[in-house]
Amino acid sequence: GQNIDQPTEMTATEGAIVQINCTYQTSGFNGLFWYQQHAGEAPTFLSYNVLDGLEEKGRFSSFLSRSKGYSYLLLKELQMKDSASYLCASPSGSARQLTFGSGTQLTVLP
Amino acid sequence: DTEVTQTPKHLVMGMTNKKSLKCEQHMGHRAMYWYKQKAKKPPELMFVYSYEKLSINESVPSRFSPECPNSSLLNLHLHALQPEDSALYLCASSQDTRQGYGYTFGSGTRLTVV
Repeated sequence: GQNIDQPTEMTATEGAIVQINCTYQTSGFNGLFWYQQHAGEAPTFLSYNVLDGLEEKGRFSSFLSRSKGYSYLLLKELQMKDSASYLCASPSGSARQLTFGSGTQLTVLP
Repeated sequence: DTEVTQTPKHLVMGMTNKKSLKCEQHMGHRAMYWYKQKAKKPPELMFVYSYEKLSINESVPSRFSPECPNSSLLNLHLHALQPEDSALYLCASSQDTRQGYGYTFGSGTRLTVV
């Protein structure tokens, strides 16, 4: 399976921009997911990248560089409700099961 | 219908009880997954079903017994659980196990073992 690394915690201010990085092994790559998860709730799909480049979806954008084994999630105009854990994940293995990074706990301060 | 539905949302059970978690999807997905998630940890894979057949069991204790009655349903039967089994149990589905897209998670079942 994949080894996926992302920072454990980040803090940012309301209205600011934050970038959450994720690195992964490039062998056997099958795309990269970003999920948002609020405490006690299920993960919510944010994005899926399989090709290089930036995909923008409202305040959230996701970037992928397959050659570098690197992705980031960009959150603009941060709101308090964006405080959550952000999970980077990639399908791998015989059943394309999702392997997750440890998750980045984002705290948005007023 | 683009959802994965899990029931119940919350479950409290004793260590001698038998209970079942249910998961349903009507997207025509042929791969279904059970994940377990402890607080402040990422989800961990338990089982994978592909075309209604068990394809992966991640060395899960036998007190957890999965079942896939048909392509739309996935159950997880629970028996003689321990308090450390308390967690969020997530069901997911995807188009099939050959492709990496289309992953959809259910809202989860919050299980407490007392």
